[in-house]
Amino acid sequence: IAGITQAPTSQILAAGRRMTLRCTQDMRHNAMYWYRQDLGLGLRLIHYSNTAGTTGKGEVPDGYSVSRANTDDFPLTLASAVPSQTSVYFCASSPEGGNYGYTFGSGTRLTVV
Amino acid sequence: QQQVKQSPQSLIVQKGGISIINCAYENTAFDYFPWYQQFPGKGPALLIAIRPDVSEKKEGRFTISFNKSAKQFSLHIMDSQPGDSATYFCAASNIDDMRFGAGTRLTVKP
Repeated sequence: IAGITQAPTSQILAAGRRMTLRCTQDMRHNAMYWYRQDLGLGLRLIHYSNTAGTTGKGEVPDGYSVSRANTDDFPLTLASAVPSQTSVYFCASSPEGGNYGYTFGSGTRLTVV
Repeated sequence: QQQVKQSPQSLIVQKGGISIINCAYENTAFDYFPWYQQFPGKGPALLIAIRPDVSEKKEGRFTISFNKSAKQFSLHIMDSQPGDSATYFCAASNIDDMRFGAGTRLTVKP
């Protein structure tokens, strides 16, 4: 089934630990995104990639890093987790940027304690 | 700053009624306006979208109304059903940027 796969589904993480959230798409979309969803704040963009080999910062990039080594994979890394990074994280993709609808993954629920 | 303002935060509608969710945007460079539907525990899914060259788009029971001069657009759900109960997000975008509203939690009572 074409779409986006995110892993893990949920995770409890000790503060200060490093964590990588995985995202893989099989639609050959050029653009990929990472959002965090917090109650009352909607979806906020963390990082994006318009094409393999390029990345950019979104609204809330601090404490996060990404890489885009190929078209399909777009991992998000928390170098040293803090409690304010407790959130639901969604990976999304689009054929060519914001002029098309995004396809979202099912999310990763992360709790930093 | 919040570039897309969505209202109401929550909405309760009786089965068969009309649900209306409103959004306003600031950036006149936005030229694509999608709505997403999200069920608990799932990612948002594209529901319907409009581009500014038309004032209305209808797909089944879902209609987007778009007012370019007022920089406003709205989602109308006709004959609302309990299965429509979900959180709805509006968004405004161009090739470089997509901004989401804060979401509306819709509850349709049987």
